[in-house]
Amino acid sequence: QKEVEQDPGPLSVPEGAIVSLNCTYSNSAFQYFMWYRQYSRKGPELLMYTYSSGNKEDGRFTAQVDKSSKYISLFIRDSQPSDSATYLCAMSGQAGTALIFGKGTTLSVSS
Amino acid sequence: EADIYQTPRYLVIGTGKKITLECSQTMGHDKMYWYQQDPGMELHLIHYSYGVNSTEKGDLSSESTVSRIRTEHFPLTLESARPSHTSQYLCASSLRRDGANVLTFGAGSRLTVL
Repeated sequence: QKEVEQDPGPLSVPEGAIVSLNCTYSNSAFQYFMWYRQYSRKGPELLMYTYSSGNKEDGRFTAQVDKSSKYISLFIRDSQPSDSATYLCAMSGQAGTALIFGKGTTLSVSS
Repeated sequence: EADIYQTPRYLVIGTGKKITLECSQTMGHDKMYWYQQDPGMELHLIHYSYGVNSTEKGDLSSESTVSRIRTEHFPLTLESARPSHTSQYLCASSLRRDGANVLTFGAGSRLTVL
């Protein structure tokens, strides 16, 4: 079983839709959870990071962590064509340890 | 705007050639990494460095080598490229932010070996 599972999609939605992207994981030691966005032919860029369980909001983006279910989510409200990208979840255990990445979910938002 | 630079962005070479992928960062980060990214696959860590003269292999076996002579520079070398080395190579550096190891990535070097 892989440590981090992420449905690669692709996921296609119309502009303005609410998007939910998810990852599950198996290692209960993970404490730091991140979402990266990667545009075509670019490197990943950090969107959000959270520590332990709970929610974090940044503009149209909300990250949720449910450690009891080993499940994390990224919600995008009022999705825009510019949100079309691959979204990678990443997580790690104790501070400073290596990040484990999911495969990424490819999102396409049509206008 | 990227503070971590990779060159070349694209490289097509023949089997057996020696290649070096360059990576430089201007942020003064001690920790630097090389990841390999293939379509539909997770990013895999192939090398990392926690500072000058420190290099370690990652979780994915790789025939490449790295060096860290200066803080800002972390080149990756393949002595004899093979078609199996065809991939996207991503360089990153990291900063501790609220305990999290936050990575900043370069734009990547896409290598094709014929």
